[in-house]
Amino acid sequence: GESVGLHLPTLSVQEGDNSIINCAYSNSASDYFIWYKQESGKGPQFIIDIRSNMDKRQGQRVTVLLNKTVKHLSLQIAATQPGDSAVYFCAPSWTGANNLFFGTGTRLTVIP
Amino acid sequence: NAGVTQTPKFQVLKTGQSMTLQCAQDMNHEYMSWYRQDPGMGLRLIHYSVGAGITDQGEVPNGYNVSRSTTEDFPLRLLSAAPSQTSVYFCASSSGTSGRNEQFFGPGTRLTVL
Repeated sequence: GESVGLHLPTLSVQEGDNSIINCAYSNSASDYFIWYKQESGKGPQFIIDIRSNMDKRQGQRVTVLLNKTVKHLSLQIAATQPGDSAVYFCAPSWTGANNLFFGTGTRLTVIP
Repeated sequence: NAGVTQTPKFQVLKTGQSMTLQCAQDMNHEYMSWYRQDPGMGLRLIHYSVGAGITDQGEVPNGYNVSRSTTEDFPLRLLSAAPSQTSVYFCASSSGTSGRNEQFFGPGTRLTVL
């Protein structure tokens, strides 16, 4: 199975600052990871993904870093905006699994 | 494309009542799934389907039934509702026959069981 934990269940940042959300996973066989954003009252929304053959991937204002040695990944959001306020989930999976496994999430609050 | 749609948005049941949560997608996705989300927790997989006529149990299947007669629809049935089933339910779909890919989520159904 997979146990997914998030460092710091809540995170508050000033608007314009960079945010870093961390995620630890337990299954060393995990080889695919997705970050989701869930705004209040809505379903989760895909942000970015990364496979285990990479250690970094960049999107629009977001960067995901993967450290397989310590089974840790992080989501960095540049120039955080009020619209970034949400709960963020990392969801690992591995070859042979039919599903993603969601952690408890980190609630990001952006202070104007 | 409407994406993934769920009905109803809100529902209140009494203990012992039955109901069906509807889920439909118009993206021709093979994989569909149901999750529940309890306060302060992540999403837990209830049931999933890798194609019409094929369903399987997830992490928390007890008290729920599913069927998949068409590619588009994946209803979730509560046969005898219990207060422990009070939760927000999300349906999701993804292309291919594996849930390892990006999953598209519906807006959710908030269910309260009294």
